[in-house]
Formats: sequence, structure tokens, C-alpha cells
Amino acid sequence: GESVGLHLPTLSVQEGDNSIINCAYSNSASDYFIWYKQESGKGPQFIIDIRSNMDKRQGQRVTVLLNKTVKHLSLQIAATQPGDSAVYFCAENKGTYKYIFGTGTRLKVLA
Amino acid sequence: NAGVTQTPKFQVLKTGQSMTLQCAQDMNHNSMYWYRQDPGMGLRLIYYSASEGTTDKGEVPNGYNVSRLNKREFSLRLESAAPSQTSVYFCASSEVNSGTLGDFGPGTRLTVL
Repeated sequence: GESVGLHLPTLSVQEGDNSIINCAYSNSASDYFIWYKQESGKGPQFIIDIRSNMDKRQGQRVTVLLNKTVKHLSLQIAATQPGDSAVYFCAENKGTYKYIFGTGTRLKVLA
Repeated sequence: NAGVTQTPKFQVLKTGQSMTLQCAQDMNHNSMYWYRQDPGMGLRLIYYSASEGTTDKGEVPNGYNVSRLNKREFSLRLESAAPSQTSVYFCASSEVNSGTLGDFGPGTRLTVL
């Protein structure tokens, strides 16, 4: 069963293409951000993080871009695979133990 | 290394019943958290425990209590369940010094009738 909202924005991508998922954050003072992947019926899984003193950070097949001017984060997934199908959401850190989580974007990978 | 584990996976309660959700982590993390996830909303923090022996309210604590039993275990109790508490509950843990909230459990799907 689904663990997030029924009316999430959906991004449909052809297998092998690149995916870009966007997130707007609320607090210009936030200094740390995380992207998560959540598959149906499972808990959130950490993908990649970035601190506010960076504009870009790369992982394996994933890149996070941070634009502090417009308070925007993006997650780029290279060569999208069927296993990438999931809900992706961002989180901004509002203090040592406090995060604000986005509602997410559903990524569908088309064969 | 099991990471963060939660029990039960599913539960159905009647209004007014009580239950405890269990969470354990084997990563020696100091901090533990309880979140709820509802359709159309991001995860919301119910309670957290910065370290063994301390607990604090999060964004939506009403109707819940918690116990940090030891460094490994953090339980969430619903004393008198209400339909508004129908949700998916996630436990998480982190090492406070890193600031990274990277480890979540698989979730408990709770329905209150």
C-alpha cells in the first residue's frame, strides 16, 4: 500500500533518461538539507545531503543542487532505472532535532 | 546489523483502546524520534529523545506518550486511541553530532476505527 498522499505530483521518465525532482524550502536560515527515497510500504531511505555552504554535491548516479537565492533544491538522477521508482522528498534542518519534510514527488520509470 | 526495527507492522484499534509501538536501533545512536506520515503531508515529529534519559515534544505530541527505555529502545504509547491517530508511524535514529537523520524504521500502519 501507499504510504504518502494519493495526489502527489508525478514525474514519468523513460528508463535510461535523467530525472530531475524539485523541492522548495521555507527557511532561508536552514543550513542542511537531505533527500530521501521512499518505496511503497517502506520507511524513508537517505539518498544524499548537502550543507548550505555548498551549491552542488554528487553521489553515485545522484546530484543535489542548492540554490539559496530562490530557496530551491533539486535532485538529479542519472540513467534512471526501474528500481528508482518511488516517492522522493526533501527535508530541511530547522535545528539539531527538527526537520521540515516535503510531501514528495512520485517518480515513475517507464520501460 | 538490523538498523532500526519497529513492531508491530500493522495494527487495528477501536476508539479508546491503548497500545504501545516499539522501536529499537542497534547503531549505538544517541538520538531517537517518532514521526507520523499522513496523506498529503510531510513527516511530522511527535516526540524525540536527544539522548538516553531525555524526551521532548515535537510538532504533534497530543495524545501520545513516549519512553526512552535505554539507549536502544524508544516506545510510543497511545493511551486512548482516536480515529485522527490513524496514520503510518516511523521511528528514526541519528548520531546527534553528525546532524544527519539517516536511519528510519519500516513503519507501523495503524488504523483506529
